[in-house]
Amino acid sequence: QVQLVESGGGVVQPGGSLRLSCAASGFTFSSYGMHWVRQAPGKGLEWVTFIRNHGKDKYYAGSVKGRFTISRDNSKKTLYLQMSSLRAEDAAVYYCVKDNSVWAFDIWGQGTMVTVSS
Amino acid sequence: QSALTQPPSASGSPGQSVTISCTGTSSDIGGYNYVSWYQQHPGKAPKLMIYEVSQRPSGVPDRFSGSKSGNTASLTVSGLQAEDEADYYCSSYAGSTNWVFGGGTKLTVL
Repeated sequence: QVQLVESGGGVVQPGGSLRLSCAASGFTFSSYGMHWVRQAPGKGLEWVTFIRNHGKDKYYAGSVKGRFTISRDNSKKTLYLQMSSLRAEDAAVYYCVKDNSVWAFDIWGQGTMVTVSS
Repeated sequence: QSALTQPPSASGSPGQSVTISCTGTSSDIGGYNYVSWYQQHPGKAPKLMIYEVSQRPSGVPDRFSGSKSGNTASLTVSGLQAEDEADYYCSSYAGSTNWVFGGGTKLTVL
C-alpha cells in the first residue's frame, strides 16, 4: 500500500542541526513532488518546503529559508529534510507529504517529532 | 504569507449539515482553484478530503463537499456522523510555489 515513513526526529539544542528522512513505498516516488509540513504542539498545520519530482527545484516557506534544505534520492525512494540553526519555534511534528500533482497533499506520513530545547 | 481564516469551532447534531468557511485573499483562494481540505483526528496525521475546490479523493464519502466563491472556500459535511468529529484544515496554493493553511476548525458532533 502507499506509505510514507518518517524518521530522524528527536531532541536538539537551539542552534543545532537535525536530518529527517522519509521512506516512500507503494507508488512511483520519482513521479511526484514531495512536501514537508509541520505542526507545532496544539497548533495548526504549516507548509515548510516542496521539491519537484526530479529534485532540481526546491521551494521554502519564509520561516525556514536559508536554514532548512530539502532533498531526495529517487533511487532510494527517500525524501530528506536537513534542518540547521534550529529555534524553539521549529519544534513540531514534521510530516512527509506526497503532492497529488494538482497542488494538494494526498498522502501523509505518521510524522516525526522534533523538540528544540536546551 | 498570512494564514487563511477559519472559525475555531463548529458543531451540529447527527444527521444535520454543517459548513466550515475558509477566507483568504485574491493571492491565494481567489486566485487559484487549488483549495483543499483535510480532516485530522487527535493524534493522527491529516487526511485529504477535498482537492481542487470540490473534488473528492477515492474513498471519501459524498457527504463531504467543497465550494468556493471569491476569496472564500467552504466545506460542507452533510448527514453528520459521530466519526466526523475532528479538526478540519483548509489549504490553498498561493502562487510562486507556496502553500498556505487555515488555522483549523474543531468540528463537534453534539
